[in-house]
Amino acid sequence: SQQGEEDPQALSIQEGENATMNCSYKTSINNLQWYRQNSGRGLVHLILIRSNEREKHSGRLRVTLDTSKKSSSLLITASRAADTASYFCATTGGSQGNLIFGKGTKLSVKP
Amino acid sequence: SAVISQKPSRDICQRGTSLTIQCQVDSQVTMMFWYRQQPGQSLTLIATANQGSEATYESGFVIDKFPISRPNLTFSTLTVSNMSPEDSSIYLCSVDARFRTGAGYGYTFGSGTRLTVV
Repeated sequence: SQQGEEDPQALSIQEGENATMNCSYKTSINNLQWYRQNSGRGLVHLILIRSNEREKHSGRLRVTLDTSKKSSSLLITASRAADTASYFCATTGGSQGNLIFGKGTKLSVKP
Repeated sequence: SAVISQKPSRDICQRGTSLTIQCQVDSQVTMMFWYRQQPGQSLTLIATANQGSEATYESGFVIDKFPISRPNLTFSTLTVSNMSPEDSSIYLCSVDARFRTGAGYGYTFGSGTRLTVV
């Protein structure tokens, strides 16, 4: 079952603009991760934020976490056409140690 | 970090047939996960495979339909049996490689198998 919701489901922006995606989850977590999926291929890990962290940066990525609201956001600054992909948040809440994924945001960056 | 080789990358199959998907990891891992991603949807766990024991299936998935083998710590297969068009999906394997980068550790995924059943 999905851990939560992501919004927007789809986002279309111009190159150079910032893209913000939001994720909500249902259960308490140790950490929350973000992944990118290009054209229905394998997932690539982008960033992990621990439950005791509020913000984390990696290159053009900025992730925030609000455990009181059970929500996270992923900001991609100065977007590029190559950022076009689907983005998923995930938590390690599965009973087998597996990831539980949000529904994802499909980002389209137009050159 | 672990690297996973997943085969085939895509296939078009006739209904009623079976397809076996392979994942080879370049290091030993305890648990391997198999996910299904239906068109336009998120990932759903099918089962978890440990070496030397029966796979653990999630609700809605059964061994007769999705038999899994895990003969050693670097290899696993998932078979999609008696396929119907509803089985058309992307199938992915994953390991908890716990590799460390500046962005924190994560899980590693195979490149996916895009299955179309006609």
